Amino acid sequence: ETGVTQSPTHLIKTRGQQVTLRCSSQSGHNTVSWYQQALGQGPQFIFQYYREEENGRGNFPPRFSGLQFPNYSSELNVNALELDDSALYLCASSFRQGARTYNEQFFGPGTRLTVL
Amino acid sequence: KQEVTQIPAALSVPEGENLVLNCSFTDSAIYNLQWFRQDPGKGLTSLLLIQSSQREQTSGRLNASLDKSSGRSTLYIAASQPGDSATYLCAVKSLATGRRALTFGSGTRLQVQP
Repeated sequence: ETGVTQSPTHLIKTRGQQVTLRCSSQSGHNTVSWYQQALGQGPQFIFQYYREEENGRGNFPPRFSGLQFPNYSSELNVNALELDDSALYLCASSFRQGARTYNEQFFGPGTRLTVL
Repeated sequence: KQEVTQIPAALSVPEGENLVLNCSFTDSAIYNLQWFRQDPGKGLTSLLLIQSSQREQTSGRLNASLDKSSGRSTLYIAASQPGDSATYLCAVKSLATGRRALTFGSGTRLQVQP
């Protein structure tokens, strides 16, 4: 069974640029959530994708957007990068069946984004 | 709005000591509570998941308890080892967020000295 994978591992961008981060969910999982973790803080929920649609969003501006593909993998896109976007971006996958209980989330290793 | 607090923020203990990490949350309407371990610069490893109907969960030297009515959870680590050094994060899944999002505390940074 393959766990959650993320790419790239590290990324350096400059202010105003755009970035795309990628996540492959664990085998058998159909739901992907993204979190931002600033240094010394706990992760904060950005949004969740289920059935290729956004299914809940945290307190993040519209320049944070995402996609989910038919194979359940996902992308996080951030436009007009700001210095405060520097963080560890974590992806988590889980299994959801219809409107039933959302199960445990399993996290990937993260992508470290540095904005200069 | 759910808020999660972890005390202490940092802890240093000698090897072999038993220790307790604390987590409190403001909204008791939770679906479950999870404890994670995070090594520096790495992702999260799930340690224990407690459903709202449960009082505790155990895995090896780890025991987590949940008191939903008082909004508290504790993680007990028995006979600590240098390999236990990491940041421990507590997270709750609240009914208010439609069971989608985990709300995390800022973590307790643990150092176990040999």
